[in-house]
Amino acid sequence: DTGVSQNPRHKITKRGQNVTFRCDPISEHNRLYWYRQTLGQGPEFLTYFQNEAQLEKSRLLSDRFSAERPKGSFSTLEIQRTEQGDSAMYLCASSPPTGDYEQYFGPGTRLTVT
Amino acid sequence: AQSVTQPDIHITVSEGASLELRCNYSYGATPYLFWYVQSPGQGLQLLLKYFSGDTLVQGIKGFEAEFKRSQSSFNLRKPSVHWSDAAEYFCAVDNFNKFYFGSGTKLNVKP
Repeated sequence: DTGVSQNPRHKITKRGQNVTFRCDPISEHNRLYWYRQTLGQGPEFLTYFQNEAQLEKSRLLSDRFSAERPKGSFSTLEIQRTEQGDSAMYLCASSPPTGDYEQYFGPGTRLTVT
Repeated sequence: AQSVTQPDIHITVSEGASLELRCNYSYGATPYLFWYVQSPGQGLQLLLKYFSGDTLVQGIKGFEAEFKRSQSSFNLRKPSVHWSDAAEYFCAVDNFNKFYFGSGTKLNVKP
């Protein structure tokens, strides 16, 4: 069990560019979550997968954001036409299929849009 | 709507002193409650969780928390703070697999 991993750890991009982040959950965790955290705030829920099905999306997830989990393992979060307001830490978490409601968080990807 | 309030943005305590971090939630049902800690450059680490049963729960690193339904609170405590406890602490409520987090309390520890 190597924990949840996220890549890249840091991304600097210019406004208007597209970016994609990857999350590898703990193996056998069927639930995967994306959160966004801005400075001085707690993480805010973005979206949630159970296996490959995207079950819920927050209203924070505008049309420029899309997340996938094609084989029920890793997930990607893409932001199109980035804006300065997208600058934040993007956190991924996973949780097992039964019993434990705990979410295990990755280290995050820090996005800076210039 | 569900919400989590951490009224203290910053707290400073002396090393060896006791600590209590406050958390209040607004939730219609019996909540699942969590405390996480985040150190700079690190991911969120679970300290403890409450699902049901004994309202005083023990966690890692000597932390404990008490669920008080009448006050809608889940305050985090530690009897003696260590310098390594300096970090940001987040309270969270689980709402059907979505976590709602408070805005966090940043803990500073004086020598």
